[in-house]
Amino acid sequence: EVQMLESGGGLGQPGGSLRVSCEASGFSFKTYAMAWVRQTPRKGLEWVSGISGSGGTTYYADSVKGRFTISRDNSKSTLHLQMNSLRAEDAAVYYCVKGLLGPNCGGDCYFDFWGQGILVTVSS
Amino acid sequence: QSALTQPASVSGSPGQSITISCTGTSSDIGGYNYVSWYQHLPGKVPKLLIYDVTDRPSGVSDRFSGSKSGNTASLTISGLQAEDEAHYYCSSFTTYTTPGVVFGGGTKLTVL
Repeated sequence: EVQMLESGGGLGQPGGSLRVSCEASGFSFKTYAMAWVRQTPRKGLEWVSGISGSGGTTYYADSVKGRFTISRDNSKSTLHLQMNSLRAEDAAVYYCVKGLLGPNCGGDCYFDFWGQGILVTVSS
Repeated sequence: QSALTQPASVSGSPGQSITISCTGTSSDIGGYNYVSWYQHLPGKVPKLLIYDVTDRPSGVSDRFSGSKSGNTASLTISGLQAEDEAHYYCSSFTTYTTPGVVFGGGTKLTVL
């Protein structure tokens, strides 16, 4: 059974940093691309960042480029998102998601398993 | 990335068919056959319904079908059931600014 458990998150200050992590199990982690998708009541779902199975290729939404860094540790089946220079608009539920089709998430980037989500709040 | 455009809400009666549209540009929907649809039931995590415009993952009912014409993709739900009441999101590969994934704003389906 595929499981993905997010951790970290919580309250961050504007301009500050937070890290969210996701421990995955039930599948060959290194074989699949992974990503982070966030959700807010106002904007709905928003893709944040993606990473290839090897970790060698990363992708970022324009809204977080230069501030967020995605990474993965295949030896620990863990995905991370380091969030720096936090803004109020980064407040959301962050989902760890698994790519459907394999290690490369280019155009055909679909998400077949989602973690339960973790809340990130940004406030002073 | 500029969000795809979906109607805020649609409704239908049990047994009917409904269609949800998703409009983008030539930089996303119109330029690539990389469209997907997700169902988000209350209290649950989103579920992939359709990928590659028309394909269904294993286990997804054939009452859900996808299509595309030009810059607009569509999700059709036939034989509407009460449990279909949820938010539905389209998604596409985009090269609007940098390569990535863009979602629509979501459509709330109400089963009357």
